[in-house]
Amino acid sequence: SQTIHQWPATLVQPVGSPLSLECTVEGTSNPNLYWYRQAAGRGLQLLFYSVGIGQISSEVPQNLSASRPQDRQFILSSKKLLLSDSGFYLCAWSLITDTQYFGPGTRLTVL
Amino acid sequence: AQSVTQLGSHVSVSEGALVLLRCNYSSSVPPYLFWYVQYPNQGLQLLLKYTSAATLVKGINGFEAEFKKSETSFHLTKPSAHMSDAAEYFCAVSEGGTSYGKLTFGQGTILTVHP
Repeated sequence: SQTIHQWPATLVQPVGSPLSLECTVEGTSNPNLYWYRQAAGRGLQLLFYSVGIGQISSEVPQNLSASRPQDRQFILSSKKLLLSDSGFYLCAWSLITDTQYFGPGTRLTVL
Repeated sequence: AQSVTQLGSHVSVSEGALVLLRCNYSSSVPPYLFWYVQYPNQGLQLLLKYTSAATLVKGINGFEAEFKKSETSFHLTKPSAHMSDAAEYFCAVSEGGTSYGKLTFGQGTILTVHP
């Protein structure tokens, strides 16, 4: 069966510090991968998606970037965090045109 | 472009009462439709999905939803609410087969269940 992992589970970072969130998927090959952000009262916002290694599509211009160095690894990064980057970050995977399956999420607080 | 509107950001019901969460969508191609549930500080869990087969879709935990093309709706129902149903529910639409599985989510509906 497939599983998806995210870490860390929670993170508190000062403004201006760098960020690296990791997502890994087990039990499937060549999945589509997604990063979402969930801010209070704002629903889910798709940030990035990837259909293969090294292929990243950005949905919203912002202070964040994503990379996919391996087939089942998806990383969300920032060089300098802003207060507005606080939120709940969710990674998801799917096979083409099928259901998205979500990880447990990372709660990021920027102070 | 596709969009989803969930009517009612908060819904409150009594335990044992009918649950009805409303979702209307807009899509330029035949859609795939999904309902997800999210418990506090957790990821989203799939409740059910519609992918152009039967219009009445049954999901987990006793939930079901009916696809009505003429009304562009995909409302979620459960005959009898349980305390454990208290959570946030998200409706989502995908332009099935044309957009690499990208989902557009509604703003969510928080369901409260009173004893």
